[in-house]
Amino acid sequence: DVKVTQSSRYLVKRTGEKVFLECVQDMDHENMFWYRQDPGLGLRLIYFSYDVKMKEKGDIPEGYSVSREKKERFSLILESASTNQTSMYLCASSSNIWGLAGGHYEQYFGPGTRLTVT
Amino acid sequence: AQSVTQPDIHITVSEGASLELRCNYSYGATPYLFWYVQSPGQGLQLLLKYFSGDTLVQGIKGFEAEFKRSQSSFNLRKPSVHWSDAAEYFCAVGENTGTASKLTFGTGTRLQVTL
Repeated sequence: DVKVTQSSRYLVKRTGEKVFLECVQDMDHENMFWYRQDPGLGLRLIYFSYDVKMKEKGDIPEGYSVSREKKERFSLILESASTNQTSMYLCASSSNIWGLAGGHYEQYFGPGTRLTVT
Repeated sequence: AQSVTQPDIHITVSEGASLELRCNYSYGATPYLFWYVQSPGQGLQLLLKYFSGDTLVQGIKGFEAEFKRSQSSFNLRKPSVHWSDAAEYFCAVGENTGTASKLTFGTGTRLQVTL
């Protein structure tokens, strides 16, 4: 089974701190994603990466950056945390294998990190 | 760009009753469609997916969904709901950006099951 793990389930940080959220997948997937989830807004894509050191902005990248130095690891960085970044953060991964039509869209999710910024 | 609409924010059903969760999408070509479930405090788990072929797809936990191109819908159904089905359900449509295949999610429907 695909396993996606996130470094923390719960995190409390102070305004202005630099925050690192780590995500690791064990299925050799090419693609990795960071979402934030807020009530009534669903999942919104922050950044994604399609290869080591390659990244693209999602729908809400402001205030965030990412790093992917190894294929299995994708980090989300809040350079200076603010209270409006209090949220649930979900990491996901997917394969680029096109053997099964559409199969490359299927994403596997980690358990999430609930971040509170005070 | 794609979009997904889940018109019901919250639904309550009695245990044993049937369930239908609505999902409408906006996409120009043949869509790749997904339903995910999120139990409290957990990540998302894939329930089922539609890529092509038979428009009625079966998933895990007794769920099924029907793709209707004419209505741009992909509604999720279950004939008899169990208390353990209480969760949040997300519909999603796939988009290929050229560099990666992304998913666009709806805002979710929270299901409450009464005993």
